[in-house]
Amino acid sequence: QQQVKQSPQSLIVQKGGISIINCAYENTAFDYFPWYQQFPGKGPALLIAIRPDVSEKKEGRFTISFNKSAKQFSLHIMDSQPGDSATYFCAAGSSGSARQLTFGSGTQLTVLP
Amino acid sequence: DVKVTQSSRYLVKRTGEKVFLECVQDMDHENMFWYRQDPGLGLRLIYFSYDVKMKEKGDIPEGYSVSREKKERFSLILESASTNQTSMYLCASSLSGNTIYFGEGSWLTVV
Repeated sequence: QQQVKQSPQSLIVQKGGISIINCAYENTAFDYFPWYQQFPGKGPALLIAIRPDVSEKKEGRFTISFNKSAKQFSLHIMDSQPGDSATYFCAAGSSGSARQLTFGSGTQLTVLP
Repeated sequence: DVKVTQSSRYLVKRTGEKVFLECVQDMDHENMFWYRQDPGLGLRLIYFSYDVKMKEKGDIPEGYSVSREKKERFSLILESASTNQTSMYLCASSLSGNTIYFGEGSWLTVV
């Protein structure tokens, strides 16, 4: 019930294209869904997050789409740039839980120039 | 800016050695975490702490222990390092219900 399944494991996109990464969860107690971005040699950093009271959240070129009934959420990167090449992790958690987050397995995104 | 500092970035240890990984945060966060990152497995929680001297097991605590004697410091201990503990270790901190902030990671190789 704690699992968060992320796909694809790797993704190659041309510059200017749309990158889409998908995640699914089981635990209906989850109420917080962040995405983290990790560059080589660095720790993950929060990119964007959503709570289940909205179905979409957009920040610049990054959008989270959330489907509560399907227990799925996805990250869309519009106009993908080579500087977006990184590993992306989805996560899910309960705001009332000290352990907070369960992470997906990660997606390595490569944006070709 | 929140800063989570992992003092050792790269370590090489021998099988059976005791290993200490140290982590310090400067934002008075109550929660601190140790994760292990392996390719294809994502970030797996080893231990977390929600207060000084308090700790709880995460998903993969076997072979590890932790210590939190001060609020800002959280140590991960490998009592007897084994080759299957070769990995990147990430420390993190947060206020409850809010963003988790990560350090830059400690790469541990056990030979």
